[in-house]
Amino acid sequence: RKEVEQDPGPFNVPEGATVAFNCTYSNSASQSFFWYRQDCRKEPKLLMSVYSSGNEDGRFTAQLNRASQYISLLIRDSKLSDSATYLCAPNYGQNFVFGPGTRLSVLP
Amino acid sequence: DAGVIQSPRHEVTEMGQEVTLRCKPISGHNSLFWYRQTMMRGLELLIYFNNNVPIDDSGMPEDRFSAKMPNASFSTLKIQPSEPRDSAVYFCASSPQGALGYTFGSGTRLTVV
Repeated sequence: RKEVEQDPGPFNVPEGATVAFNCTYSNSASQSFFWYRQDCRKEPKLLMSVYSSGNEDGRFTAQLNRASQYISLLIRDSKLSDSATYLCAPNYGQNFVFGPGTRLSVLP
Repeated sequence: DAGVIQSPRHEVTEMGQEVTLRCKPISGHNSLFWYRQTMMRGLELLIYFNNNVPIDDSGMPEDRFSAKMPNASFSTLKIQPSEPRDSAVYFCASSPQGALGYTFGSGTRLTVV
């Protein structure tokens, strides 16, 4: 089993739609989790951290399910500017291992 | 803050040549990471430093790869000799020790022909 798995997509959704991504991780000792956003030919940028209780930042909601070892990202009222690849990153010891990313295309 | 600064942005070199990638982390960040990204393998950690000391280089693919961090504000990743399969985007990232999340540089797009 790979350390971090994500559905590569692409997810093609219309503007205004709600879309959710999941990410599964294999290391049960992981304590910190993040979502990054990467635009085409750009560097990954930190989007949000993921807490056990779930956390929300505007249109974005991240949740963690430790029992099933997955994290999720929900985007509400999607915008054209949300089109990007979304990478999840659980920690492995002192480092973070990045998933392969899920590509999102928001269509007009 | 200027962020993490990498140079060059693009590098095209011939197989067998030496390549040196450079990184300046954010001032005050104690940890520095070198990643490589390809379509096939995604984002892979090559090596990371804490307080200028290499902690884990298990991701360095071969002896042809080496990294140094002579001081808190500068790091290099060297490939000698380079091969076509080294073609990738190389990212440097930094973070404050114990903090959460990394800040990535803009990357160096390396093409070895």
